[in-house]
Amino acid sequence: EAGVAQSPRYKIIEKRQSVAFWCNPISGHATLYWYQQILGQGPKLLIQFQNNGVVDDSQLPKDRFSAERLKGVDSTLKIQPAKLEDSAVYLCASMGGPDEQYFGPGTRLTVT
Amino acid sequence: AQTVTQSQPEMSVQEAETVTLSCTYDTSENNYYLFWYKQPPSRQMILVIRQEAYKQQNATENRFSVNFQKAAKSFSLKISDSQLGDTAMYFCAFMRGGATNKLIFGTGTLLAVQP
Repeated sequence: EAGVAQSPRYKIIEKRQSVAFWCNPISGHATLYWYQQILGQGPKLLIQFQNNGVVDDSQLPKDRFSAERLKGVDSTLKIQPAKLEDSAVYLCASMGGPDEQYFGPGTRLTVT
Repeated sequence: AQTVTQSQPEMSVQEAETVTLSCTYDTSENNYYLFWYKQPPSRQMILVIRQEAYKQQNATENRFSVNFQKAAKSFSLKISDSQLGDTAMYFCAFMRGGATNKLIFGTGTLLAVQP
């Protein structure tokens, strides 16, 4: 079974620029998560989708971050405009059963 | 709100020896799950072991086992016969049962296995 796919693996941008990350979950997984992992910390949830609906986006900085999951499969996370403090690893995860999340390899974002 | 605390930022162990990583959590929920994830330098989060809160028996997966003390809200990970490939960041995580089931992570413990 193919795992969670993410692209790009690395991205370097200047502050105030925009960036987008893509995630393809494991086939059939209805729930998709985006986590932000700042260096030296554990991941923190940004947004959770159930199919194409948002379940939890309480920690998403909505003035600059947006996410969508068209057709309940792939998802895109966008940052516009980026700030220095957005430098982090962005992890996508999906869940099909009741208790296990599968993670993608992550995208390392550096904002200069 | 749920919190997860890992009080050991770094640990070191000799190859073939045993090491225990500590984790405590705080919750008022009865239905929840606890996890240990491994994150090597490649950044891929890999599930090591899971524990359902309603199960009294401690989970084991080959060389990995947990000591789940529900009343004390403690969830430690024991790695037996440590191998060089065990070198990684280890994160303890909590997940509430139900629809809004995000993972809440601790700050991690960096484990170095020495040859």
